[in-house]
Amino acid sequence: DVKVTQSSRYLVKRTGEKVFLECVQDMDHENMFWYRQDPGLGLRLIYFSYDVKMKEKGDIPEGYSVSREKKERFSLILESASTNQTSMYLCASTLQGLQQPQHFGDGTRLSIL
Amino acid sequence: QQPVQSPQAVILREGEDAVINCSSSKALYSVHWYRQKHGEAPVFLMILLKGGEQKGHDKISASFNEKKQQSSLYLTASQLSYSGTYFCGTGGGADGLTFGKGTHLIIQP
Repeated sequence: DVKVTQSSRYLVKRTGEKVFLECVQDMDHENMFWYRQDPGLGLRLIYFSYDVKMKEKGDIPEGYSVSREKKERFSLILESASTNQTSMYLCASTLQGLQQPQHFGDGTRLSIL
Repeated sequence: QQPVQSPQAVILREGEDAVINCSSSKALYSVHWYRQKHGEAPVFLMILLKGGEQKGHDKISASFNEKKQQSSLYLTASQLSYSGTYFCGTGGGADGLTFGKGTHLIIQP
């Protein structure tokens, strides 16, 4: 079974801090994604990566950056955390191709105080 | 642009049927369906790639009408385990998915 592991289940940070969310997948998937999930808004794509060191902006990239130095690891960075970034963050990975399902991690519930 | 899901929420008794719709203002090439239980990760249900394609397993099936730019998810003789939030996603591949806002399904005994 594919395993997508997010480093923290719950995280509390302060406004202005630099925050790192880590995601690791164990199935050699090319594509990795970061979504945020908010009540009533569904899942929205922040950034994605189709290869090592490659990154593309999703629908809501403002205030975020990403890093993919190794194929199995995709990090989401909040450069200067703000309260409106309090949310559930989900990482996902998939093989190449439209017909491939996305495999999600359990999510990180991030609170910015 | 997010696909539009309807209804937003539905409450059923065990054994009843449900239909969840997903429509897009853009041309659709694929539709993904996922279910998420409270506090858990979304779980993949199925992908439809071709217009007119229908898929299913167990008592959950889906159809894809490419011309109408919509997909429907059918839950037959619903079980308590079907409760959760259902999301459709459009796009896929390396570009990621654009998800609808979700449909909350509650199955009561």
